[in-house]
Amino acid sequence: NAGVMQNPRHLVRRRGQEARLRCSPMKGHSHVYWYRQLPEEGLKFMVYLQKENIIDESGMPKERFSAEFPKEGPSILRIQQVVRGDSAAYFCASSPPVGGAYNEQFFGPGTRLTVL
Amino acid sequence: QKEVEQNSGPLSVPEGAIASLNCTYSDRGSQSFFWYRQYSGKSPELIMSIYSNGDKEDGRFTAQLNKASQYVSLLIRDSQPSDSATYLCAVNIRRAGTASKLTFGTGTRLQVTL
Repeated sequence: NAGVMQNPRHLVRRRGQEARLRCSPMKGHSHVYWYRQLPEEGLKFMVYLQKENIIDESGMPKERFSAEFPKEGPSILRIQQVVRGDSAAYFCASSPPVGGAYNEQFFGPGTRLTVL
Repeated sequence: QKEVEQNSGPLSVPEGAIASLNCTYSDRGSQSFFWYRQYSGKSPELIMSIYSNGDKEDGRFTAQLNKASQYVSLLIRDSQPSDSATYLCAVNIRRAGTASKLTFGTGTRLQVTL
């Protein structure tokens, strides 16, 4: 199965720790998007990356959050000094390299972050 | 005004009936529109995409787009209990430099009753 892969599926952190969420796109896809879904809320865009480039980070909180998509390996969403408000489901989606605004995005299973 | 609006529901329909889910969007320049299904505790699953005015059919699903009215809908024929889920409308709202960002509505919860 060449779907979008995310790990870990569940992550528990104490306040002040760091959280690292990983995403491997579907085979043949080079565009990665991160979304966050807070309890009882909709999906919110965070960041859009291509290999070695951040294309759009307009949805990223200004502090503590960063994302990368290196030439080799998965995309990583990093949250430093987590707070309880960071508890949410974090979804990664990927799309193929052509098509622009018509690209369909396919979602991974998500990482459910719980901050104690 | 929200960029993408959906009625949160729940929308309750009997098994075998047609479920009609609606979505409006604010940016007239939006280019592409998607419907995702999300079961509780799971990730969104793409079920339909539509880019041009009119209807697009795929099995029991029909997406309808009216750009003049800034309205997109999803019809589910012969609704089944397994269709019970939250349906998310997503729009690619065109802004310079952000061609591929999706903006989601808050979703409509559909309940198909026996």
